[in-house]
Amino acid sequence: DVKVTQSSRYLVKRTGEKVFLECVQDMDHENMFWYRQDPGLGLRLIYFSYDVKMKEKGDIPEGYSVSREKKERFSLILESASTNQTSMYLCASSKLTEAFFGQGTRLTVV
Amino acid sequence: GQNIDQPTEMTATEGAIVQINCTYQTSGFNGLFWYQQHAGEAPTFLSYNVLDGLEEKGRFSSFLSRSKGYSYLLLKELQMKDSASYLCASMDSNYQLIWGAGTKLIIKP
Repeated sequence: DVKVTQSSRYLVKRTGEKVFLECVQDMDHENMFWYRQDPGLGLRLIYFSYDVKMKEKGDIPEGYSVSREKKERFSLILESASTNQTSMYLCASSKLTEAFFGQGTRLTVV
Repeated sequence: GQNIDQPTEMTATEGAIVQINCTYQTSGFNGLFWYQQHAGEAPTFLSYNVLDGLEEKGRFSSFLSRSKGYSYLLLKELQMKDSASYLCASMDSNYQLIWGAGTKLIIKP
């Protein structure tokens, strides 16, 4: 069974904190993605990576950075969390077409 | 610009048939995806169409018309467990997925 695992289901952080969201996949996929999902909006791409140490900005990269030191792990970093970053964060990986998603991290910034 | 449109919410009756429509405008086209997402859970893959026509998979079918920029997901013999959001996504020329906001499907007994 394919698996994408995100480190936390629920997270509460304070404004200004540095936040790390971790994602690990066991399918040897090259492509990994970070999305955020907000009510009434589609999945919005924050960053993606096609290979180790490679990263590309998505549609809404501001306030975020990423790290891909190993093929199986893709980390999303909120440099200084703000309340407008309260959201559901979804990690996904893919080889060519079909994307497999992690269970999501619901982040609340207070 | 790139755009995916689908209805926000639909209601149907258990045992009935429902069709969820999706129209798309993307820079290039490499296929149309449908995903199912239950509340609080991750999206899971349902179907992928890259050629015109209907693809059937059990109770679920997906249709694509590339000339019209149109797809639909057809769910037959609806069950209560089909209550979920259904996400339409188009893959553009860069192999990036452009997502619709999702259609929340409510099934009534």
